[in-house]
Amino acid sequence: TQLLEQSPQFLSIQEGENLTVYCNSSSVFSSLQWYRQEPGEGPVLLVTVVTGGEVKKLKRLTFQFGDARKDSSLHITAAQPGDTGLYLCVGAPTSGNTPLVFGKGTRLSVIA
Amino acid sequence: DSGVTQTPKHLITATGQRVTLRCSPRSGDLSVYWYQQSLDQGLQFLIQYYNGEERAKGNILERFSAQQFPDLHSELNLSSLELGDSALYFCASSAGLGQGQYFGPGTRLTVL
Repeated sequence: TQLLEQSPQFLSIQEGENLTVYCNSSSVFSSLQWYRQEPGEGPVLLVTVVTGGEVKKLKRLTFQFGDARKDSSLHITAAQPGDTGLYLCVGAPTSGNTPLVFGKGTRLSVIA
Repeated sequence: DSGVTQTPKHLITATGQRVTLRCSPRSGDLSVYWYQQSLDQGLQFLIQYYNGEERAKGNILERFSAQQFPDLHSELNLSSLELGDSALYFCASSAGLGQGQYFGPGTRLTVL
């Protein structure tokens, strides 16, 4: 069974601080997706990374896919209260007929 | 707005009943996914369809079934409902296998 270990599980920081969320596995994924979910709403796709070593930036968010395509990180610079939410990493197995693998999420709270 | 629509938005029913949840994917997306999210729980993957065919199955109960129609909309049928089936049910769509998903607003099911 493929697993995605996401850390930390909870994070509470002050506005303006930087943070990094990690997503690790012993398995190789064909792609990895990051989502943010707010209470009562559906997750919103932030980014999909496909190539090992790939780095994608979305304003203050930087996403990296590990060279071996087994891990990923999300770095937020100068966090703002609007960044508060549940961040999920989701891996697409290399076998197309296998269900997506979900991390348990990182619940981020940014305090003004 | 993700482009994915789900109906109804809310559903209240009694134990033992049967309900049907409907999902229309984003225009052009061939893949549809169904998820269950109970209060304060993570997303549980139920089932995935691609262009009308079942592609992957998660922790879907035998009382639950789904299908994707030729026009690509999908329905999730829940029968012999139990109190524990109360949850948010999300549908998501993607252009292809392993690609980023766009989630609908969800159907909140309450079983009394």
